[in-house]
Amino acid sequence: NAGVTQTPKFQVLKTGQSMTLQCAQDMNHNSMYWYRQDPGMGLRLIYYSASEGTTDKGEVPNGYNVSRLNKREFSLRLESAAPSQTSVYFCASSPGQGSAETQYFGPGTRLLVL
Amino acid sequence: RKEVEQDPGPFNVPEGATVAFNCTYSNSASQSFFWYRQDCRKEPKLLMSVYSSGNEDGRFTAQLNRASQYISLLIRDSKLSDSATYLCVVSFNDMRFGAGTRLTVKP
Repeated sequence: NAGVTQTPKFQVLKTGQSMTLQCAQDMNHNSMYWYRQDPGMGLRLIYYSASEGTTDKGEVPNGYNVSRLNKREFSLRLESAAPSQTSVYFCASSPGQGSAETQYFGPGTRLLVL
Repeated sequence: RKEVEQDPGPFNVPEGATVAFNCTYSNSASQSFFWYRQDCRKEPKLLMSVYSSGNEDGRFTAQLNRASQYISLLIRDSKLSDSATYLCVVSFNDMRFGAGTRLTVKP
């Protein structure tokens, strides 16, 4: 089992460019999440999906869109990147549909927006 | 006020020392509590869940005080490999992460 995988590992964008961060899990988990981690801020939830076909906003959704393509894959799209979106992005998954269970994280994508 | 607050540290301790971290949370309706460990430039990984009665996993002991809304993590007999950032996590409708406490264990 690879667990949770993310691509790309690193990305540099110019302001206004768009990109999609990819995430996949092979643990047959129902829930998937996207977080960003900034220095001194802790991880903040951007969007989550409690099951295939559903998505919900988290704490900081502005400037992002998501797609739960199937049970395995959950992508995060930046339509028009801004320097404030420079961050480390983590995808995570959990077995059920609740928030009270262990989440398993991918290795992260480091994004720099110039 | 942040929903989950931790002392950022860093805590620098010698091998074999006992070290304790505290974490406070603001939402009294929070239902689940965890400690995650994050190594430098790596993803967070679950260290242990925190139960109301307190729980222990080897050298690690976690305590929850609902009345005062804080969680603690005690590490006994610190090892070099314990050097990491420890994230306090509190769950109500979703997971809320503290910014982490950095620990460095020195020889």
